[in-house]
Amino acid sequence: AAGVIQSPRHLIKEKRETATLKCYPIPRHDTVYWYQQGPGQDPQFLISFYEKMQSDKGSIPDRFSAQQFSDYHSELNMSSLELGDSALYFCASSLRTSTDTQYFGPGTRLTVL
Amino acid sequence: DAKTTQPNSMESNEEEPVHLPCNHSTISGTDYIHWYRQLPSQGPEYVIHGLTSNVNNRMASLAIAEDRKSSTLILHRATLRDAAVYYCILTDNYGQNFVFGPGTRLSVLP
Repeated sequence: AAGVIQSPRHLIKEKRETATLKCYPIPRHDTVYWYQQGPGQDPQFLISFYEKMQSDKGSIPDRFSAQQFSDYHSELNMSSLELGDSALYFCASSLRTSTDTQYFGPGTRLTVL
Repeated sequence: DAKTTQPNSMESNEEEPVHLPCNHSTISGTDYIHWYRQLPSQGPEYVIHGLTSNVNNRMASLAIAEDRKSSTLILHRATLRDAAVYYCILTDNYGQNFVFGPGTRLSVLP
């Protein structure tokens, strides 16, 4: 079965640079979530989209923005990168139902030097 | 959000059953109980979920207390590949983001 696809899988950037992470949800899924996981930490929710509209917002810095496109893929844009942004970034998708099981992608490992 | 409490770590021997507990004393009537696990450097993986009744799937079983204030994830025969951090998560409405708590780090000994 098709899974959530994230690209790139690894990304190395310098401080103050920008980065764009992409997420391709499971076909027919209408909701996308972004999570950040720092070293030794649990995943933290950043932002979510339902039917291309922002649905919920968590601890996402103002330097980050995201959107969901007409084909339901999503992009997380990160500007003015800081060392503390180094983390694993996971995207998850779901089909909005009463149970909302989320399926996670393999993640993008971002390293800021 | 209703809070969950899990032991920080547990150990099991290979091919033995494992019972992973989760307390959620403030659970509301509409909260679903989800279990996910995360292997090192991988994304969280869905294990099982339930509302009121016990649930079984090919990966595990979920036993939910009658008052729903606690639940137990049961791995019937642990394998080395089951070594992971297991998260118990509650959600109460459509499209709600997950709040990952500390979770239980399961070690499986050969």
